[in-house]
Amino acid sequence: GENVEQHPSTLSVQEGDSAVIKCTYSDSASNYFPWYKQELGKGPQLIIDIRSNVGEKKDQRIAVTLNKTAKHFSLHITETQPEDSAVYFCAASQAYQLIWGAGTKLIIKP
Amino acid sequence: NAGVTQTPKFQVLKTGQSMTLQCAQDMNHNSMYWYRQDPGMGLRLIYYSASEGTTDKGEVPNGYNVSRLNKREFSLRLESAAPSQTSVYFCASSESGQANTEAFFGQGTRLTVV
Repeated sequence: GENVEQHPSTLSVQEGDSAVIKCTYSDSASNYFPWYKQELGKGPQLIIDIRSNVGEKKDQRIAVTLNKTAKHFSLHITETQPEDSAVYFCAASQAYQLIWGAGTKLIIKP
Repeated sequence: NAGVTQTPKFQVLKTGQSMTLQCAQDMNHNSMYWYRQDPGMGLRLIYYSASEGTTDKGEVPNGYNVSRLNKREFSLRLESAAPSQTSVYFCASSESGQANTEAFFGQGTRLTVV
């Protein structure tokens, strides 16, 4: 079955700098890769997703890249702001399920 | 628009007790899910219901049962709680049963089994 690994587990960046979170997956049949943001005490919320027929997708300060050959995808956040502090999860589709990474706690230092 | 509503938000159970976690969505979604979230392990799917009238096991179904009561409601039951079931439980819904559509999550239920 699918296995998703996410790195790093914790990432601390200076406000205004960029943050990059990386995930690898094992099942070449996976074709959908979402990223969710979870704020303290809340459920995860979708921030961006990418399908296997594209290599990159951007939405303002957030971008996701996908390398199908290497089976990895990354989340890029530019010009980080205090409200970006949260836990971020990647996931990969497997039939009717999403298989989730373990999460990255992003800390934005003022 | 409330989205996905879970009750209760917090619960403490003694080993062997039973309880039902309730979930309701008002987005007319076809599919609903129950996940558990443990530190350092991300979210793991317990059960899902691709459409009203159907339920299927996810990655970690042992010790749980579910009921898709109607299109809006999907409940999770622990028949005999164990300390290993201490976790944060999330209900989610999506428009279709395919994994490639956005899932909307409730605020979670923090369950402690002592």
